Amino acid sequence: QKEVEQDPGPLSVPEGAIVSLNCTYSNSAFQYFMWYRQYSRKGPELLMYTYSSGNKEDGRFTAQVDKSSKYISLFIRDSQPSDSATYLCAMSRMDTGRRALTFGSGTRLQVQP
Amino acid sequence: DAMVIQNPRYQVTQFGKPVTLSCSQTLNHNVMYWYQQKSSQAPKLLFHYYDKDFNNEADTPDNFQSRRPNTSFCFLDIRSPGLGDAAMYLCATSTGLQETQYFGPGTRLLVL
Repeated sequence: QKEVEQDPGPLSVPEGAIVSLNCTYSNSAFQYFMWYRQYSRKGPELLMYTYSSGNKEDGRFTAQVDKSSKYISLFIRDSQPSDSATYLCAMSRMDTGRRALTFGSGTRLQVQP
Repeated sequence: DAMVIQNPRYQVTQFGKPVTLSCSQTLNHNVMYWYQQKSSQAPKLLFHYYDKDFNNEADTPDNFQSRRPNTSFCFLDIRSPGLGDAAMYLCATSTGLQETQYFGPGTRLLVL
């Protein structure tokens, strides 16, 4: 079983739709949670960063973390064709002193104009 | 703008011919990472430097080496590339005090 599970998609939605992207994880030691957006043939770009449980909003993007369920979400409101990309969740732990991120495999999103 | 720069963006090499990929950063971050990403897969950490301390992942093949001559630069050396090493290679940095990593644009490696 992978430490982080993410549905690969593709997820296809019409422009203006609300998009929900999700990851589940198995290790309760994860404390920092991130969402990256990766356009085709480009490096990942940090979108959202949260620590522990709760919500964080930035423009059209909202990140949610539910540590009790080991479940994180990214919501995109009023989705645009320019949001079409692969979205990677990532998380990390500090207990072992490791600095590495554990990534999900990414969900490919297509927003149709 | 502070950033992570990777050169070249595309690299074509022959089977078995050594290749070096370059990463530089203007963020003055302590930690630099190298990831390998194959199509539709998550980035896979190869190794990282915390300042001058090198940390190799247990499953990183010996074929992959890295050098960090100073804070700003880090190199990935592939001593004898195989067909299976064709991938996107991503460099990332972080301060080491928090886990947010900032990625470069990547180098796409093709092995003929």
